[in-house]
Amino acid sequence: DVKVTQSSRYLVKRTGEKVFLECVQDMDHENMFWYRQDPGLGLRLIYFSYDVKMKEKGDIPEGYSVSREKKERFSLILESASTNQTSMYLCASNGQYNQPQHFGDGTRLSIL
Amino acid sequence: SQQGEEDPQALSIQEGENATMNCSYKTSINNLQWYRQNSGRGLVHLILIRSNEREKHSGRLRVTLDTSKKSSSLLITASRAADTASYFCATFKAAGNKLTFGGGTRVLVKP
Repeated sequence: DVKVTQSSRYLVKRTGEKVFLECVQDMDHENMFWYRQDPGLGLRLIYFSYDVKMKEKGDIPEGYSVSREKKERFSLILESASTNQTSMYLCASNGQYNQPQHFGDGTRLSIL
Repeated sequence: SQQGEEDPQALSIQEGENATMNCSYKTSINNLQWYRQNSGRGLVHLILIRSNEREKHSGRLRVTLDTSKKSSSLLITASRAADTASYFCATFKAAGNKLTFGGGTRVLVKP
C-alpha cells in the first residue's frame, strides 16, 4: 500500500514565522502535490512537482514556496505565516498525472 | 468557480438506504475521480472513470458519467454507518496535468 506521511497532524504557529510542512511518500512516485482545504471551498492546489528540484505553481501559490530535494520528500514552506493561511494542508502523490492520487492524513495548521 | 460541483452539499439517510450524489463540470475532461474523506483524515480514492466510459462499479459503489451533460453520479447502495464521510469528485484534464476538486457532499448515515 502506498503511504504518504505528513510530519504533523496539528501545528500552531505565530504570525510572521517561517513554517515548514513536510511530506514523504514511499512508492517512488514522480508527482507530488500540496493542497489546502477550507470549508466550502474544497481542495485547492498550491504547488506540485513532477521531479526532483522541479516545481509548478498551482491555483493559489501566493505566500507559499516548495522544495523537493529528494524524490520521496516534498516540503511546503510558508515564508511569513499569516492568519489567512490557517487551514488544513494535504499532501498527495501519484506515478502518472492521470492516475488517482494518494493522500496523507493532513496537517491542521493554525496561525495565531 | 470549481470545475466539479457536487450536489447536494449534504445528505442524511438511514442505514440500508441508497445514497446518490451528483457532480457537474464545465469543460472537457480525460477522466473523473471520486474520493472519500473521513472526518479529520486525508482523501481516499474510490473510483476513476474515463471519458469514454459510461458506468463503473466497485462493490457497493456505482459511478456513471454523461459527457454530453458534463455530469457524473455516485451511488452508494445499502449504506452503512461507516459510509458517513464527505465525498468529492475531481476532474482531470491532460492539459495542465492536475486534478480539480469540487466542494464535496457530506453524507450522514444514521444507524
